[in-house]
Amino acid sequence: GDSVTQMEGPVTLSEEAFLTINCTYTATGYPSLFWYVQYPGEGLQLLLKATKADDKGSNKGFEATYRKETTSFHLEKGSVQVSDSAVYFCALSGEYKLSFGAGTTVTVRA
Amino acid sequence: DGGITQSPKYLFRKEGQNVTLSCEQNLNHDAMYWYRQDPGQGLRLIYYSQIVNDFQKGDIAEGYSVSREKKESFPLTVTSAQKNPTAFYLCASSLSGGRKAFFGQGTRLTVV
Repeated sequence: GDSVTQMEGPVTLSEEAFLTINCTYTATGYPSLFWYVQYPGEGLQLLLKATKADDKGSNKGFEATYRKETTSFHLEKGSVQVSDSAVYFCALSGEYKLSFGAGTTVTVRA
Repeated sequence: DGGITQSPKYLFRKEGQNVTLSCEQNLNHDAMYWYRQDPGQGLRLIYYSQIVNDFQKGDIAEGYSVSREKKESFPLTVTSAQKNPTAFYLCASSLSGGRKAFFGQGTRLTVV
């Protein structure tokens, strides 16, 4: 069945550092891929998405490229801020539902 | 404003009691979902519904029940059969199954 594997956290960075969170997937067909972000005590918000191979999703300085050949959708940001501290989830669309990775906790220190 | 609303934000339950968590959306979405989140474990799917009057078990449905009598509403009942109900519960909806989902703010359930 469909599954998503994220790099394990937690990840701790200094402000202005480069962030990468790895995400790989297993799926049949051609799923859409998503990154969601969760701030403490809140629900999940869609951060970015890509619907087909080689698409690049971007939002708020974050980027991720749909790589079909490596079945990956890694999240990157060139210069993180303290406000980027959150839990990040990679997800893929199945026929009936989304499948989520385990989440990666990111803490950015000033 | 369009969105998805969960209530209450915090809920306390005594052991042996059933409790119902509310989820309402005004996005005109067909699909709705319930997830459970435990610390460090990500999201696990409890139930989902693709259309009114129909729903399917997810990965951890035991001890939970749902109904989908209206398109806008998808309440979740945590029954006394759920042995470890303390968790953060998230409701979501999407235009149709597998599309990008919108999430509510969550309900934190604690057994006392």
